[in-house]
Amino acid sequence: EAGVAQSPRYKIIEKRQSVAFWCNPISGHATLYWYQQILGQGPKLLIQFQNNGVVDDSQLPKDRFSAERLKGVDSTLKIQPAKLEDSAVYLCASSFFSGLTLFTSYNEQFFGPGTRLTVL
Amino acid sequence: GQQVMQIPQYQHVQEGEDFTTYCNSSTTLSNIQWYKQRPGGHPVFLIQLVKSGEVKKQKRLTFQFGEAKKNSSLHITATQTTDVGTYFCAGTLGPNFGNEKLTFGTGTRLTIIP
Repeated sequence: EAGVAQSPRYKIIEKRQSVAFWCNPISGHATLYWYQQILGQGPKLLIQFQNNGVVDDSQLPKDRFSAERLKGVDSTLKIQPAKLEDSAVYLCASSFFSGLTLFTSYNEQFFGPGTRLTVL
Repeated sequence: GQQVMQIPQYQHVQEGEDFTTYCNSSTTLSNIQWYKQRPGGHPVFLIQLVKSGEVKKQKRLTFQFGEAKKNSSLHITATQTTDVGTYFCAGTLGPNFGNEKLTFGTGTRLTIIP
């Protein structure tokens, strides 16, 4: 099966510019995640969607970051305006969980290749 | 907030030696997952542990979930060059209905000396 697709793979911008990332999850996966991974650190969840609804966005800097998943399939993450500290790899992941089964304990996440953002 | 720490941060071993990374949470976890990230790559799921004291094995890899569900470990026997990468634990806080967010640990970077 096809994996999680992300584009672009690399992006270099200057501070205060805007940037957008795109993600297409594995077909049939209801849950989509955006993570920020700063060099040498673990991925940090920015936002989690289930279908087209937001499950968690508690760590999303909402003054500059926004994300949408309008049709419950692909998603975009935008940064406007970018700051130097936004330099990181932005990972998109998806999982099958559909919310139909209570006490489901299996929630394997499949990650895309990521977008490496450099803010100068 | 919830923190998940891993030790050591880095580990260099001779090929054939064993390797262990430890994961500790400040709060009780409903489950824990382990991921491997090769240099320049993305995290890849290895396993999920749910039960207190659970032990699972995958060939040379042994995963353990602590009795109090606040710590976990990954042990690799007789490391090979293909084991190179960063190993992350990731935990879920609170009752698990399948879509709760994961909090990733700080990671342990393993390098192998041939």
